[in-house]
Amino acid sequence: GAGVSQSPRYKVAKRGQDVALRCDPISGHVSLFWYQQALGQGPEFLTYFQNEAQLDKSGLPSDRFFAERPEGSVSTLKIQRTQQEDSAVYLCASSVQGRGELFFGEGSRLTVL
Amino acid sequence: QQQVKQSPQSLIVQKGGIPIINCAYENTAFDYFPWYQQFPGKGPALLIAIRPDVSEKKEGRFTISFNKSAKQFSLHIMDSQPGDSATYFCAAGYNFNKFYFGSGTKLNVKP
Repeated sequence: GAGVSQSPRYKVAKRGQDVALRCDPISGHVSLFWYQQALGQGPEFLTYFQNEAQLDKSGLPSDRFFAERPEGSVSTLKIQRTQQEDSAVYLCASSVQGRGELFFGEGSRLTVL
Repeated sequence: QQQVKQSPQSLIVQKGGIPIINCAYENTAFDYFPWYQQFPGKGPALLIAIRPDVSEKKEGRFTISFNKSAKQFSLHIMDSQPGDSATYFCAAGYNFNKFYFGSGTKLNVKP
């Protein structure tokens, strides 16, 4: 597709369940980012990949959060043992290396009951 | 610690007005300052961006003013239209590897 694609768009999980969120970046984009956006707030950085290398994971809030991009294209953000505070929109963005413009997907809205 | 502080939280203007959104930062290592526009249910989209070596940049009806000494920058929207009603985020980053976003300004342009 032409843009960044994220799935699922909506996910409802019971507290304690594991979830996996998928991101398909724009073809050829080397850089991939995950952001967390709480309701009414700005996106908060979670992690950054350059190709398959995870260069920065300083924003991951706990060891329950894990991200991977094994072949340098599709990325998955996994949240284990979900908690209510994990409820948010998870945004994926990709960019051309060395360029500042981030292309965001529409996000995956996670609701933890 | 919030890296980028944004104000106001919300803004209402009449069509044709010039809304101004302000942001401040602390980290002098930041070298790229973009503004993003977000509509409900969509991801943010880049509107305009500036590097710290210039004090102003214009693209169409959108202008960024940048004050390096004060560590502040602002977005002006000229001749605002109802279609500009959205949430606007400023951001700051370095090396294009990590961006910190402001908390957002919800703009409502009344017809």
